[in-house]
Amino acid sequence: QSVLTQPPSASGTPGQRVTISCSGSSSNIGSNTVNWYQHLPGTAPKLLIYSNNQRPSGVPDRFSGSKSGTSASLAISGFQSEDEADYYCAAWDDSLNGFVFGTGTEVTVL
Amino acid sequence: QVHLVESGGGVVQPGRSLRLSCAASGFTFSSYGMHWVRQAPGKGLEWVALIWYDGIDKYYADSVKGRFTISRDNSKNMLYLQMNSLRAEDTALYYCAKDRYNLDSWGQGTLVTVSS
Repeated sequence: QSVLTQPPSASGTPGQRVTISCSGSSSNIGSNTVNWYQHLPGTAPKLLIYSNNQRPSGVPDRFSGSKSGTSASLAISGFQSEDEADYYCAAWDDSLNGFVFGTGTEVTVL
Repeated sequence: QVHLVESGGGVVQPGRSLRLSCAASGFTFSSYGMHWVRQAPGKGLEWVALIWYDGIDKYYADSVKGRFTISRDNSKNMLYLQMNSLRAEDTALYYCAKDRYNLDSWGQGTLVTVSS
């Protein structure tokens, strides 16, 4: 089972701000950086945010990440229908000595 | 341009073995750690294993430890996952991903189905 907890679903209307939370512990988010991935099932997941708040080139600036203590969040400003996908947070876990993914959040358009 | 192509998936009976491969191109393969990540039907992403750039350090999820072995051949730009004692719960789409810290590029995946 995942040690990073996300809400199972989120939704928004076009143009709205959508946020997704990711709750962990001192052994993962509390001591390591957080990444966020966008995934359409059956396709290759895409790195959206790395090192808590950095965007790879090509990722629109409407995506932003933040981290505080043992929690992190992803925000989509100016939500677009093409942003409908599953989103996962992830971090290294020092206790498990492995990478852990969040439970995943399905984001849909209202 | 980074390109990762997984292969080797298929239908296998419980208890049997399978070896997955990931062909890498478009980057200096020998400089990067590589991961295997899987997604079971209707489930989320699950990290499986990590191998460092030089193949010396390896890490595994508890769910596969002792059954799966990650390896690489830097001379061939290839990543492997040897899966032994397969169980029904190992049924999933298996992805390889580049970069020890960020998993910044992923392949399209290869499907493994464990069923009698």
